[in-house]
Amino acid sequence: RKEVEQDPGPFNVPEGATVAFNCTYSNSASQSFFWYRQDCRKEPKLLMSVYSSGNEDGRFTAQLNRASQYISLLIRDSKLSDSATYLCVVNILTILAGAGSYQLTFGKGTKLSVIP
Amino acid sequence: NAGVTQTPKFQVLKTGQSMTLQCAQDMNHEYMSWYRQDPGMGLRLIHYSVGAGITDQGEVPNGYNVSRSTTEDFPLRLLSAAPSQTSVYFCASKQGVFYGYTFGSGTRLTVV
Repeated sequence: RKEVEQDPGPFNVPEGATVAFNCTYSNSASQSFFWYRQDCRKEPKLLMSVYSSGNEDGRFTAQLNRASQYISLLIRDSKLSDSATYLCVVNILTILAGAGSYQLTFGKGTKLSVIP
Repeated sequence: NAGVTQTPKFQVLKTGQSMTLQCAQDMNHEYMSWYRQDPGMGLRLIHYSVGAGITDQGEVPNGYNVSRSTTEDFPLRLLSAAPSQTSVYFCASKQGVFYGYTFGSGTRLTVV
């Protein structure tokens, strides 16, 4: 099982639509969770952290379900400028070179296209 | 406020050549990492550092070396470039183990 899984999309939605992205992670000991946004040929940028109680930033709402190991991102009233790839990121205890450390593990991303 | 600065932005190497990708951050972050991003593969960790003088291997370290002599700088060295190292390389830094990363703008490397 992959550590962080996302639906690759693409999601093609009209302006003004509400769209939801889902993400599942494999390690129940994960401690921190994020959504990043990556525009074409650009670096990933932190969109928002995800807290256990759920959190909102303007049109964006993030939810975390630790029991189901599931994260979601809801975008309301989609804008053309929301078109990008959205990356689910989880801090996972990872064994590297024989030692354990928490590493940010990235999903492969979900591509969103908002259409006029 | 520069954040994370990577140079060069683009590079073409011949097979067997060596080079260093530069990364510097001005946020006094202890944690720094190098990732590569390939189509369909997502971001994969190459090497990381939890402070000056401390580095460790990531998921795909072969063919790369790093050092961390100062908090600010974390260069990535390609020892003998191979076509399989054609990729986009991102350097990133963060404040602590459970924080998110701030990324540099990336280096697009082509090995011919």
